Amino acid sequence: DAKTTQPTSMDCAEGRAANLPCNHSTISGNEYVYWYRQIHSQGPQYIIHGLKNNETNEMASLIITEDRKSSTLILPHATLRDTAVYYCIVSAAGTDSWGKLQFGAGTQVVVTP
Amino acid sequence: DTGVSQDPRHKITKRGQNVTFRCDPISEHNRLYWYRQTLGQGPEFLTYFQNEAQLEKSRLLSDRFSAERPKGSFSTLEIQRTEQGDSAMYLCASSIGTSSYEQYFGPGTRLTVT
Repeated sequence: DAKTTQPTSMDCAEGRAANLPCNHSTISGNEYVYWYRQIHSQGPQYIIHGLKNNETNEMASLIITEDRKSSTLILPHATLRDTAVYYCIVSAAGTDSWGKLQFGAGTQVVVTP
Repeated sequence: DTGVSQDPRHKITKRGQNVTFRCDPISEHNRLYWYRQTLGQGPEFLTYFQNEAQLEKSRLLSDRFSAERPKGSFSTLEIQRTEQGDSAMYLCASSIGTSSYEQYFGPGTRLTVT
């Protein structure tokens, strides 16, 4: 059963911020939110993860709502190389399922010039 | 390049044949995962190893599938008596430790069963 819900696709203009939503209304207290992306014909690539607080790294920012039922991945300045399928995943730390990433269908992001 | 490598990158086989794929994880990564991905879908978890021990197998992994990781280094995934439904991309990933948040994926092996 899918633990996350994402839009099927979205377009973004090059140089603009891309905001990718994800719903995870049944998330448990010990479950982290992960984001991975998969560029065509490549393996998935880790982007960022978070538990409660907002997180930022060199690739993106992750905004998690206070009730943790949804999150948004922000690519601050999208480039053509950011065109990929983006996956939002929840996974519990310290359990047998830790590391067993359960991918959904993801969001196909197309960055246009 | 010190990333996860997989061999072969592409494999075409006839139905009923056996195939074996190899995955070389990043050195010193003690966790190794296998996923399968069909067209238009996200990867599906198949199995994973902690060092040489296979800790879990998905129900997707039928009796025709077997995976090994001798000496906790590289891993092999064998499919016996292949079926057309086995056509997919087989992805390998590795991570360091049991608390790592990041899995590093290889480029995958594309299997086509004719």
